[in-house]
Amino acid sequence: GQQLNQSPQSMFIQEGEDVSMNCTSSSIFNTWLWYKQEPGEGPVLLIALYKAGELTSNGRLTAQFGITRKDSFLNISASIPSDVGIYFCAGHVGGGADGLTFGKGTHLIIQP
Amino acid sequence: GAVVSQHPSRVICKSGTSVKIECRSLDFQATTMFWYRQFPKKSLMLMATSNEGSKATYEQGVEKDKFLINHASLTLSTLTVTSAHPEDSSFYICSAIQGARYEQYFGPGTRLTVT
Repeated sequence: GQQLNQSPQSMFIQEGEDVSMNCTSSSIFNTWLWYKQEPGEGPVLLIALYKAGELTSNGRLTAQFGITRKDSFLNISASIPSDVGIYFCAGHVGGGADGLTFGKGTHLIIQP
Repeated sequence: GAVVSQHPSRVICKSGTSVKIECRSLDFQATTMFWYRQFPKKSLMLMATSNEGSKATYEQGVEKDKFLINHASLTLSTLTVTSAHPEDSSFYICSAIQGARYEQYFGPGTRLTVT
């Protein structure tokens, strides 16, 4: 099956720094989604990408759908303490209502 | 909009018993819902796709007789873990699709502990 390689696995940064994480795949995805999960809770959708090359922002978050449709990145600018959590990329292949393939997550830790 | 709830949020049961978890779309109708499983410090793994009015589709390696899924209405899907064992202890999360675009919204999850 499809696999998503997400990196980095974890990040230790200072408050105010910018953050960048990415996902790559050996196969094509038609949709890329980025989620944030906090301990004991379900993932919350941050950004959805539907078109190759698409660049979408949501506040301090920016994500791009790679031209090859095999990768995506998420940037967070000027990080704040509430950005702490695990960020997951997720891909969807088909045109129908199929489940998502998730990356392994990037654990973001912010040092004040 | 796009709120998904789960009940219960936590459940502890004894080995050999069955546990039912409910997933509801609160402000929209969902013909398709999904069930995922997540182990500590791991990613989400799709277990099955729940379709309203028809049988669920299970991922390879997921026992359909152990994880019973019923999607009886456009706002409710249930997952029943039958004859639970300690290795079934996990975080179970459901999701639903809202609208024509493919965006999945997740419930808050259910922590199952089998003793």
